[in-house]
Amino acid sequence: RKEVEQDPGPFNVPEGATVAFNCTYSNSASQSFFWYRQDCRKEPKLLMSVYSSGNEDGRFTAQLNRASQYISLLIRDSKLSDSATYLCVVRAGNTPLVFGKGTRLSVIA
Amino acid sequence: EAEVAQSPRYKITEKSQAVAFWCDPISGHATLYWYRQILGQGPELLVQFQDESVVDDSQLPKDRFSAERLKGVDSTLKIQPAELGDSAMYLCASSTRRGPETQYFGPGTRLLVL
Repeated sequence: RKEVEQDPGPFNVPEGATVAFNCTYSNSASQSFFWYRQDCRKEPKLLMSVYSSGNEDGRFTAQLNRASQYISLLIRDSKLSDSATYLCVVRAGNTPLVFGKGTRLSVIA
Repeated sequence: EAEVAQSPRYKITEKSQAVAFWCDPISGHATLYWYRQILGQGPELLVQFQDESVVDDSQLPKDRFSAERLKGVDSTLKIQPAELGDSAMYLCASSTRRGPETQYFGPGTRLLVL
């Protein structure tokens, strides 16, 4: 079983739609959680950290459920510029970041 | 805004040849990471440096891969000999000592082995 598993994608949604990505992790010792964004043929960039109480950054909302070892990312009012691959990332203690395979999102006009 | 620099951006080589990639992290960042990203996968850590010391190279195929960061600043990743399965994006990232969870990635080197 992969340490970090994500929705297979791709997700093709119209502009203005709400889309949700899910991620599960297997290491119960994981303490830090992130969503990274990666544009086609570009490097990953940190989108947001995920906190236990859930957190929001503009149109983006991240949720964490430690009991179910589940992380989600919700994007409201999708824009064309949101088209990218979204990588779920977890970390346990001082161990390296573990990246999921990513879920590709295409927002269509 | 400070950035992680990598070169070359693209490299085409034949199998059994040697290749080398260079990375210059953001100034002041003590921690440097080399990742490999195969198409359709997430990045996987190859090696992590803290200053000039290797912290984690457990996933580095040491029979053909080597990495160094002699002065604790820039770093070189070498593959010798290259194999077809090494075709991937090689990403360098850096972070501060106090904030290892926020990593800044360079643009990567895309390697194609023929």
